[in-house]
Amino acid sequence: DTEVTQTPKHLVMGMTNKKSLKCEQHMGHRAMYWYKQKAKKPPELMFVYSYEKLSINESVPSRFSPECPNSSLLNLHLHALQPEDSALYLCASSQPGTSVANEQFFGPGTRLTVL
Amino acid sequence: AQKVTQAQTEISVVEKEDVTLDCVYETRDTTYYLFWYKQPPSGELVFLIRRNSFDEQNEISGRYSWNFQKSTSSFNFTITASQVVDSAVYFCALSEAPSNTGKLIFGQGTTLQVKP
Repeated sequence: DTEVTQTPKHLVMGMTNKKSLKCEQHMGHRAMYWYKQKAKKPPELMFVYSYEKLSINESVPSRFSPECPNSSLLNLHLHALQPEDSALYLCASSQPGTSVANEQFFGPGTRLTVL
Repeated sequence: AQKVTQAQTEISVVEKEDVTLDCVYETRDTTYYLFWYKQPPSGELVFLIRRNSFDEQNEISGRYSWNFQKSTSSFNFTITASQVVDSAVYFCALSEAPSNTGKLIFGQGTTLQVKP
């Protein structure tokens, strides 16, 4: 199984709502990532989890709260978002590498619209 | 600082034409990795290739080929006999190593349109 799944595919939320994005992989990868991608731009790294511990937070606002409950699951909790947070949110996974940089496998993304 | 430049913003070709996507990178590291990803309209980034800085051999996979030249800091991607299904945004990316962060530096992407 070389698939990363993400739910939901589309999400529309108001600025006062609380919602969560979910990502799952069963490739045995121990590194998982959240990216944000605006239209016609490359993905921007938000968070990295390595062995279920947060290893990178790219100065992301606290209205985005990641969680890694186990080695297969990654969540992104959303609260009090702004319209400019509307984007495609991509999850990825890979084997962590100390001496190599391993390829990341991406999910199909969640297209988020904040009204 | 690390940087990836994809100077071609958009390319349009007719089916069966060959097309080359350019990628130029900057890094001070002696060990690094380069990647190409494809992003079709569906949104998912599809991994195409990884190349480390010590392996300058060119690679061919079906209609795809990659030309890595450290002397010019380039890692170009050629699609031979393009097909409509090749229409997508293609990203070149760089990762430092050794690294436990997995952080990828992406280029701005090249949108390839293949017309029938």
